[in-house]
Amino acid sequence: AQSVTQLDSQVPVFEEAPVELRCNYSSSVSVYLFWYVQYPNQGLQLLLKYLSGSTLVKGINGFEAEFNKSQTSFHLRKPSVHISDTAEYFCAVKTGNQGGKLIFGQGTELSVKP
Amino acid sequence: DSGVTQTPKHLITATGQRVTLRCSPRSGDLSVYWYQQSLDQGLQFLIQYYNGEERAKGNILERFSAQQFPDLHSELNLSSLELGDSALYFCASSMLLPTDTQYFGPGTRLTVL
Repeated sequence: AQSVTQLDSQVPVFEEAPVELRCNYSSSVSVYLFWYVQYPNQGLQLLLKYLSGSTLVKGINGFEAEFNKSQTSFHLRKPSVHISDTAEYFCAVKTGNQGGKLIFGQGTELSVKP
Repeated sequence: DSGVTQTPKHLITATGQRVTLRCSPRSGDLSVYWYQQSLDQGLQFLIQYYNGEERAKGNILERFSAQQFPDLHSELNLSSLELGDSALYFCASSMLLPTDTQYFGPGTRLTVL
């Protein structure tokens, strides 16, 4: 069975600093990987996704993630964060042989301070 | 705006009651998914429908049921509610392919008193 581990539950960072949110997954088959963001009192918005091809994926709002098959990781990065990036970030995985359900990590709360 | 709509936004009810949550998928999407977000369990997949048929089931309680109608909107029915059912319930929609992105609605916040 697949699982997703987000290694940090909370990440505090100062504005304009770089940030990395870590995500590891476990699966014995090929996976599709996603990062979603949840702003307070809102639904989930897709940041980026890895389906195949280039392992470096660029998303919205200046975020990018790198798929590393050997380390089963899909870490999310941004070189310079803004106050508006304060939100909860979820890593998710799904496979091609289990319908379409997403399996989510526990989330990482990113708090950007001025 | 993802194009997925959910009603109501908030629902407050008492233990033992029954409620219905409604979801309209994005135009053109045939598949609907229901997820539950709670503090202790995180985001968990409940059930998936595709073009009116149940396609996959997750950690959905027997007290919960869902269906997808011919116009593709979906309803999640929660009965004999318990305090622990208080959570945010999300609906998502997509085409069907594994590579398809799931677009999420704004959620329905259920509070059971």
